[in-house]
Amino acid sequence: KAGVTQTPRYLIKTRGQQVTLSCSPISGHRSVSWYQQTPGQGLQFLFEYFSETQRNKGNFPGRFSGRQFSNSRSEMNVSTLELGDSALYLCASSLTPGGEKLFFGSGTQLSVL
Amino acid sequence: AQTVTQSQPEMSVQEAETVTLSCTYDTSESDYYLFWYKQPPSRQMILVIRQEAYKQQNATENRFSVNFQKAAKSFSLKISDSQLGDAAMYFCAYRRSSWSGGSNYKLTFGKGTLLTVNP
Repeated sequence: KAGVTQTPRYLIKTRGQQVTLSCSPISGHRSVSWYQQTPGQGLQFLFEYFSETQRNKGNFPGRFSGRQFSNSRSEMNVSTLELGDSALYLCASSLTPGGEKLFFGSGTQLSVL
Repeated sequence: AQTVTQSQPEMSVQEAETVTLSCTYDTSESDYYLFWYKQPPSRQMILVIRQEAYKQQNATENRFSVNFQKAAKSFSLKISDSQLGDAAMYFCAYRRSSWSGGSNYKLTFGKGTLLTVNP
């Protein structure tokens, strides 16, 4: 069974641009959550989706948004990029929200210049 | 709000020896999960071991075991017979249980412990 797949692995953008990251969960998993990892702030929860609905959102500005499709694949979008948005963005999937096992992808490393 | 604290930014161990990584947490809930995740240079977050708070028995997965002290809110990870491949950043994480009610099941992570394994 394939794991959680995130694309692309690396992205370089400039300030003011927008970016879209993709996450394909493990087959059968319907819950997808996103985390931002930076050296200073560590790992922080962005949002969680289940059945195409955003269930929870972390403490991030409105420039960060996401969505989930009917096949459970998820995308997150960051508009008007800032230098501080440079981070590793990790996606995780589970069968259901609160599921006992959460599996992570390898992340997308975003660099904002 | 829940918090997770890892007081050891870095640890080192000799190959084949045993090392213990510390983690404390704070929560007002009675039912929850605790996790240890490993993040090697490949950056993928790999689940090492999981503990359900309602279980008194400490979880064990091969060379990895935990010492879960619910009253003290302590959750340490013991790695026995350390191998070079164990070198990585280790994160302790908390997640409320679905039995707790509510709907927010986000993981709250500690800052991590960088483990070096010396040959």
